[in-house]
Amino acid sequence: DAGVIQSPRHEVTEMGQEVTLRCKPISGHDYLFWYRQTMMRGLELLIYFNNNVPIDDSGMPEDRFSAKMPNASFSTLKIQPSEPRDSAVYFCASSFWGAIGYGYTFGSGTRLTVV
Amino acid sequence: GQQVMQIPQYQHVQEGEDFTTYCNSSTTLSNIQWYKQRPGGHPVFLIQLVKSGEVKKQKRLTFQFGEAKKNSSLHITATQTTDVGTYFCAPIRMKTSYDKVIFGPGTSLSVIP
Repeated sequence: DAGVIQSPRHEVTEMGQEVTLRCKPISGHDYLFWYRQTMMRGLELLIYFNNNVPIDDSGMPEDRFSAKMPNASFSTLKIQPSEPRDSAVYFCASSFWGAIGYGYTFGSGTRLTVV
Repeated sequence: GQQVMQIPQYQHVQEGEDFTTYCNSSTTLSNIQWYKQRPGGHPVFLIQLVKSGEVKKQKRLTFQFGEAKKNSSLHITATQTTDVGTYFCAPIRMKTSYDKVIFGPGTSLSVIP
């Protein structure tokens, strides 16, 4: 298995532009998570899905952020409009709850810079 | 809400010295997971502890879950430069239903060769 795949690896965009981050979880995993990591705030959970259904989006900063999971093999995190304070590394992770002890598998992340 | 503390925030050690990081929760936990993130990398799952007082070893790494299931520790014996990175604990509160994992702030380890 190729693991959790995120794209793009790096994104530089201008303030006000729309940004879409993509994630392909590990096949068979039924949970998908979006995290944001910054020096100041550490690893923050933004939203997570179970069987493609959003379960908890309480970590989404504001209405500018939205996430979808149209099927078991794809998820997107969209920021519209983007702001400089959104600059961070965004990680996608997936897990299989039944496989207790295996933890989360993280993707390599997308480093977002908003200028 | 759940509060998770990790101490120390940073640790610099000479290669060959031991290292310990502690994770403390304000609430009783079901399980706790530990992750390692190398500089510029992504978090990688290390282990999960489930039982009160549980101790697990992975080569030079020893993980312990407190008797009250409110704290945990990671101890590295004779650190090597490959141990450099940030170590996160990830407490899990509920056993019977899925609960979101909130990562601790992490302990950043530097190893001086």
